[in-house]
Amino acid sequence: ETGVTQTPRHLVMGMTNKKSLKCEQHLGHNAMYWYKQSAKKPLELMFVYNFKEQTENNSVPSRFSPECPNSSHLFLHLHTLQPEDSALYLCASSHGLAEDNEQFFGPGTRLTVL
Amino acid sequence: GQNIDQPTEMTATEGAIVQINCTYQTSGFNGLFWYQQHAGEAPTFLSYNVLDGLEEKGRFSSFLSRSKGYSYLLLKELQMKDSASYLCAVLDSNYQLIWGAGTKLIIKP
Repeated sequence: ETGVTQTPRHLVMGMTNKKSLKCEQHLGHNAMYWYKQSAKKPLELMFVYNFKEQTENNSVPSRFSPECPNSSHLFLHLHTLQPEDSALYLCASSHGLAEDNEQFFGPGTRLTVL
Repeated sequence: GQNIDQPTEMTATEGAIVQINCTYQTSGFNGLFWYQQHAGEAPTFLSYNVLDGLEEKGRFSSFLSRSKGYSYLLLKELQMKDSASYLCAVLDSNYQLIWGAGTKLIIKP
């Protein structure tokens, strides 16, 4: 247990569906992250929030829409996804964004797009 | 561009020592992290180096040479539970973590 939880753990959806991924951290951290992890590829940073404000959006397609209602919760809303979006989506949190920002990861959501 | 290189896969024997290398080319440097990720699980923090030299933590040690853009993770007295992927990541000048693709370590009895 890292103090970061994610639901659901597994998700299968069609290309026309709308779904949301949820992340919650119980560590009192101020920064939260969404990553995409595909097989044999580096972790891809998608979004960063610091004190509920989005600080990074690394050219992520608009079919992925993040939401951060408070410092403890982070959502990733999905719509009209493509099969190549199938991957493990990891949420992480850290105290801040500066040096030594050790990130604590959730277990991830394994997403399959049919 | 920014680049992190580490071997794709390594095999070692239980009880032995293994060294996993990582070389990096990034825009700025604010530290290097090593994470362990077991199959189907979240990455977990192993070490952080920002100054040159060796940091020892139990059976695991991490080394950094900033002038060479090089780090390694040294695992001693290998156990079967050490079978996992090991991820190298560099914190760049914008405090973004740039990740390597990970090294899958297979431990054989």
